[in-house]
Amino acid sequence: NAGVTQTPKFRVLKTGQSMTLLCAQDMNHEYMYWYRQDPGMGLRLIHYSVGEGTTAKGEVPDGYNVSRLKKQNFLLGLESAAPSQTSVYFCASSYAGRTQYFGPGTRLTVL
Amino acid sequence: DQQVKQNSPSLSVQEGRISILNCDYTNSMFDYFLWYKKYPAEGPTFLISISSIKDKNEDGRFTVFLNKSAKHLSLHIVPSQPGDSAVYFCASSKAGTASKLTFGTGTRLQVTL
Repeated sequence: NAGVTQTPKFRVLKTGQSMTLLCAQDMNHEYMYWYRQDPGMGLRLIHYSVGEGTTAKGEVPDGYNVSRLKKQNFLLGLESAAPSQTSVYFCASSYAGRTQYFGPGTRLTVL
Repeated sequence: DQQVKQNSPSLSVQEGRISILNCDYTNSMFDYFLWYKKYPAEGPTFLISISSIKDKNEDGRFTVFLNKSAKHLSLHIVPSQPGDSAVYFCASSKAGTASKLTFGTGTRLQVTL
């Protein structure tokens, strides 16, 4: 039981490049979330999903897209990366209770 | 508009003593509160939670207290251990919102020998 895993762990992009971050969970959780964490700030919600095939915007969705084609996977896409998207990205999942379980994070640097 | 606030960026406590981490919230619709612990280069780990129908929840060395009238919660760690050194985040959620969490900015706890 790996819990929540994230791929990749680190990535460096140039401005304007695109990439996809993958989140996978093996706990059969319905809800999944993407957050970003910046220095001196708490985690902020980017997008979330309450089930396969559904997505919704969170607090800071601009510049990101998501997809949930399979229940166990939640993808976060950056179509045209900007330096302001340099951050640490965390994925989380929840069974539909109130407690979320987090992955180890992806550190993204946009030059 | 920061709805969840942790006003102490850092806290230093001696091993064996009590650590008290504080959190304030402004949204009266929040009805569930959680504490997460985060080590460097790792994801947040769930520590303890409390529903608004309670005023205290205890799990081993960790106790969370909720004062709804003051919109304040606190995490007590007794006794503090060096392995407790980490950043602690307070988070809140509202019923019917897909369990979305609103986080505070975190408090870095250092437990010294």
